[in-house]
Amino acid sequence: QQQVKQSPQSLIVQKGGISIINCAYENTAFDYFPWYQQFPGKGPALLIAIRPDVSEKKEGRFTISFNKSAKQFSLHIMDSQPGDSATYFCAATGDYKLSFGAGTTVTVRA
Amino acid sequence: GAVVSQHPSRVICKSGTSVKIECRSLDFQATTMFWYRQFPKQSLMLMATSNEGSKATYEQGVEKDKFLINHASLTLSTLTVTSAHPEDSSFYICSASNRGQSNQPQHFGDGTRLSIL
Repeated sequence: QQQVKQSPQSLIVQKGGISIINCAYENTAFDYFPWYQQFPGKGPALLIAIRPDVSEKKEGRFTISFNKSAKQFSLHIMDSQPGDSATYFCAATGDYKLSFGAGTTVTVRA
Repeated sequence: GAVVSQHPSRVICKSGTSVKIECRSLDFQATTMFWYRQFPKQSLMLMATSNEGSKATYEQGVEKDKFLINHASLTLSTLTVTSAHPEDSSFYICSASNRGQSNQPQHFGDGTRLSIL
């Protein structure tokens, strides 16, 4: 069964808008939560990651919000750009073996 | 940052052929390598985990005799799809990890598109 649930499956946002992707997990042994960006025909690339002792992490236009009690975490893409159009995967791990969400395809319209 | 090179990037071959895919960590020692399979518009599915110098551990439902994995050195792992058939056509992605570093568990290659005719 999928250990990390991700939503929405896809979203469309206007240039300059905010993209929000949500993930939820059940396994309390998870202690590292990365987000990956994947372009067509390429492997996933690490975008940003967080550990459960922090509630928020920001790197440039990308922010992770983490709610340990709710076992949820989300990715916010601020000032979305056409170059951000890609598939985003959340993931979680407690032992270097990653459990991936189903992915969210983000389309940024100019 | 850590670099993982995967080769070839694309393979097209006839049914019954065996295909070897290489995964190399270029600037770090990969004690563990992972092999994934990804179907169009789907997530990554872990096939197997290999530790340098030992046998790979396969996920449930993955045929070990079909997908042969070798991890003979700290910088190279290979996946051989034996007697490939059209249903084996997919995007195969490797990743590498150094268990001594905890800030980023896996570094991914750019994948291999395998098409079996």
